[in-house]
Amino acid sequence: ILNVEQSPQSLHVQEGDSTNFTCSFPSSNFYALHWYRWETAKSPEALFVMTLNGDEKKKGRISATLNTKEGYSYLYIKGSQPEDSATYLCAFRGANSNDYKLSFGAGTTVTVRA
Amino acid sequence: NAGVTQTPKFRVLKTGQSMTLLCAQDMNHEYMYWYRQDPGMGLRLIHYSVGEGTTAKGEVPDGYNVSRLKKQNFLLGLESAAPSQTSVYFCASIPGGGRVKNTEAFFGQGTRLTVV
Repeated sequence: ILNVEQSPQSLHVQEGDSTNFTCSFPSSNFYALHWYRWETAKSPEALFVMTLNGDEKKKGRISATLNTKEGYSYLYIKGSQPEDSATYLCAFRGANSNDYKLSFGAGTTVTVRA
Repeated sequence: NAGVTQTPKFRVLKTGQSMTLLCAQDMNHEYMYWYRQDPGMGLRLIHYSVGEGTTAKGEVPDGYNVSRLKKQNFLLGLESAAPSQTSVYFCASIPGGGRVKNTEAFFGQGTRLTVV
């Protein structure tokens, strides 16, 4: 079982504040790291797919960084808005030729208070 | 394109009953996955398939079987449902070959299963 861990499990943010949270994954045999935004009763929505060490990606007020050598990725939300309230999932894919799994962390649930 | 479609969307089963969940994708994707979602646990991989006729176990395979007889369909079976299998089930697919590295997974809308 791959260890994909996310922290914190949940956080509360005041509207307008910025926040960030972590995804840690195995540092060996890296292939790709995915980030998804997930709202209750909906399907996960892709935010980023990151494949290179040092990658930084941005989508509006949300951005992500990737460190494959130490096995972590950060997701940042700048100027949080109530519509950013959701669970954010990361998923890891290994480079082992026999490993086609897409393994998810347990998620970080963000609640933005107006 | 419909993308990834799961049927049924809701189902209530009695303990011991069997059922099959269908995941259908029209994007010609090679890889398909079945996950279950439980509170505080994210998405846990049940089984997956890397192509037509192939299946493999994920993290929580016990109590489930799968088949991929056609490339576009990935079936998840519960032979004898138990209350512990009450969950929301999601199917996902990803293209294979050179496109796979930078492509996200595409998800179905989920199946809410209750076993009483």
